Amino acid sequence: DQQVKQNSPSLSVQEGRISILNCDYTNSMFDYFLWYKKYPAEGPTFLISISSIKDKNEDGRFTVFLNKSAKHLSLHIVPSQPGDSAVYFCAATNFGNEKLTFGTGTRLTIIP
Amino acid sequence: EAGVAQSPRYKIIEKRQSVAFWCNPISGHATLYWYQQILGQGPKLLIQFQNNGVVDDSQLPKDRFSAERLKGVDSTLKIQPAKLEDSAVYLCASRRVLSLYQETQYFGPGTRLLVL
Repeated sequence: DQQVKQNSPSLSVQEGRISILNCDYTNSMFDYFLWYKKYPAEGPTFLISISSIKDKNEDGRFTVFLNKSAKHLSLHIVPSQPGDSAVYFCAATNFGNEKLTFGTGTRLTIIP
Repeated sequence: EAGVAQSPRYKIIEKRQSVAFWCNPISGHATLYWYQQILGQGPKLLIQFQNNGVVDDSQLPKDRFSAERLKGVDSTLKIQPAKLEDSAVYLCASRRVLSLYQETQYFGPGTRLLVL
C-alpha cells in the first residue's frame, strides 16, 4: 500500500523556467510533509517542509504548496538551475510520530 | 556541525555471506534510523532507535537482519546471511527538531550493497 505517491518518475525543464514536482498521499493522519533532494551516491538532503496548519511555505527559490482536501502537495522551483538536477523525494509523517513515509521519487533534469 | 557518517560506502558480497554497516549520527541526535532503499524506490524504514533502545523494528526482517546501538551513539546493521534481494543502498539518518512545528531527518551518504 503506497501511502505517498509521486506519479511522475521523471521531469525535464528548461533552465530558468519553473519546475513543479507533485506528490499525493492517502493517509489522512499525515500532517507534516517534507521534500528531500538526492544526488547520485549521496544521501537525501532536506530541502523544505510544511505543516498542515499552513498551505504554503517558501524558502528562496523553493515553495511547497499543500492542498489538504485533495491530499496533494507540490514543490515549485523558480527559476530552475542546472544544479537542481537530482531525484526529489516527498515524505510524510504525523508530526511527533518520528517516522517518515517516502514516495518513489521524481528525477528532475534541468536542460541548459 | 559534522554530518551523519557511514561506512563502508560500497560492499560487494556473495549470497549467504555476512555483512555489517556502521553509522555515526550527528552529535546529540537521540533518534537514529536505518533505511533500505532499493533502486527506483523511496527509502523504507527498517529500524528506529531512541538512544540505545529500539522504538520500531516492525519492518526489519529479523531472521537475517539485526541492529544495535549499544551506547546510544553509533550503530551497526548486520545482514546474515545475505540474499540477492538485499542488494540496495542502506541509509542511516538521525532526527532533529528544528522548531515547534518543524523537524527533519539528516541522512548519511549510504552504503551501497551488491549481493551476487
